[in-house]
Amino acid sequence: GEDVEQSLFLSVREGDSSVINCTYTDSSSTYLYWYKQEPGAGLQLLTYIFSNMDMKQDQRLTVLLNKKDKHLSLRIADTQTGDSAIYFCAERRGSTLGRLYFGRGTQLTVWP
Amino acid sequence: DAGVIQSPRHEVTEMGQEVTLRCKPISGHNSLFWYRQTMMRGLELLIYFNNNVPIDDSGMPEDRFSAKMPNASFSTLKIQPSEPRDSAVYFCASSRGTGGQPQHFGDGTRLSIL
Repeated sequence: GEDVEQSLFLSVREGDSSVINCTYTDSSSTYLYWYKQEPGAGLQLLTYIFSNMDMKQDQRLTVLLNKKDKHLSLRIADTQTGDSAIYFCAERRGSTLGRLYFGRGTQLTVWP
Repeated sequence: DAGVIQSPRHEVTEMGQEVTLRCKPISGHNSLFWYRQTMMRGLELLIYFNNNVPIDDSGMPEDRFSAKMPNASFSTLKIQPSEPRDSAVYFCASSRGTGGQPQHFGDGTRLSIL
């Protein structure tokens, strides 16, 4: 398909790990991104990974990339209530002058 | 450092009125993107510019929508005449067009057409 796909909802308990999954479309995508959107705010860049990498870690965030399956995941360790937000996966396809293709977003709810 | 600046933050107007949304990209960024976000359709790319030139406007819903970028530091999205179904949050984002530089988003304009 042509769409970047994500599950719409994820609920976890505070302190647990969260894993948000994404399937992208273009095997030649060069960069893949995770954005976070809190209520009433714009999209905030969390992290991104170049396609020649398998993993990237940044404090509580771990990004895993499986190019064969075109699968991207974002793991949030020790999830906090402040992590409740919508998380968007996006891919950059070839030479598109910076255009990104976004998924529909995953609503993460963290229960105390 | 200043991020992407959008104005107004909120706009409420009656159908049929002209609406103008404004965006100032991050200095040095040469690509600018206009998005619309609704519950039903999610995040949609309306149009994007590179070096002030429109590259792809295939996401613009219809002729009532127009966008301009007269210089590297300013862009407008205009709706004339506005309709209730145009109610949404409109985001502007900018990036350096080359390499893997990510897009940076403004806080959006929440538009309500009555």
